[in-house]
Amino acid sequence: DAGITQSPRHKVTETGTPVTLRCHQTENHRYMYWYRQDPGHGLRLIHYSYGVKDTDKGEVSDGYSVSRSKTEDFLLTLESATSSQTSVYFCAISGTPPNEQFFGPGTRLTVL
Amino acid sequence: SQQGEEDPQALSIQEGENATMNCSYKTSINNLQWYRQNSGRGLVHLILIRSNEREKHSGRLRVTLDTSKKSSSLLITASRAADTASYFCAPSNFGNEKLTFGTGTRLTIIP
Repeated sequence: DAGITQSPRHKVTETGTPVTLRCHQTENHRYMYWYRQDPGHGLRLIHYSYGVKDTDKGEVSDGYSVSRSKTEDFLLTLESATSSQTSVYFCAISGTPPNEQFFGPGTRLTVL
Repeated sequence: SQQGEEDPQALSIQEGENATMNCSYKTSINNLQWYRQNSGRGLVHLILIRSNEREKHSGRLRVTLDTSKKSSSLLITASRAADTASYFCAPSNFGNEKLTFGTGTRLTIIP
């Protein structure tokens, strides 16, 4: 998967607990993205980063925060998980847009 | 960023046949990308076509772009079981850092 990993790959948690998903890349790409994928909705952008400490919101950012302290790592945090955040989360990386995006293997998150 | 809309939503064909799926978008673009997603996996980039190109080939893939109709098509020739996947288009412009994906076309190849 083009030098991009996500951890954990699967997680089950309870409503109200904090959750952090990690995306790690070895490609030194400037741009990193977090998407969620739900049936009937396709992929929706949560947040993205265009450099270390530079982030911006996507279309479904409410309830999520991100951080990027190093080029290779992009963290997605659910401060207080809700059942509506049960989804598959994908990280993607890209060189200078609108170049192709490379996707990670995904994290399946279940919030009970 | 703008979203492409793929059509049809689902398509089933016999192995060996050709598969065609379409993408429509609303405003002018600089390029359009096609991606494939196998079940449970991340998206994989297939091809990028620029606004000044009308047709592009990559192996068994043929992509066309009609900017006057704001549409693109992806043709997969001589389909194989491994082509079973969902296919997404992503129109974009220079300087646009984000891609917006639709719900895709789910292609099933029947052996």
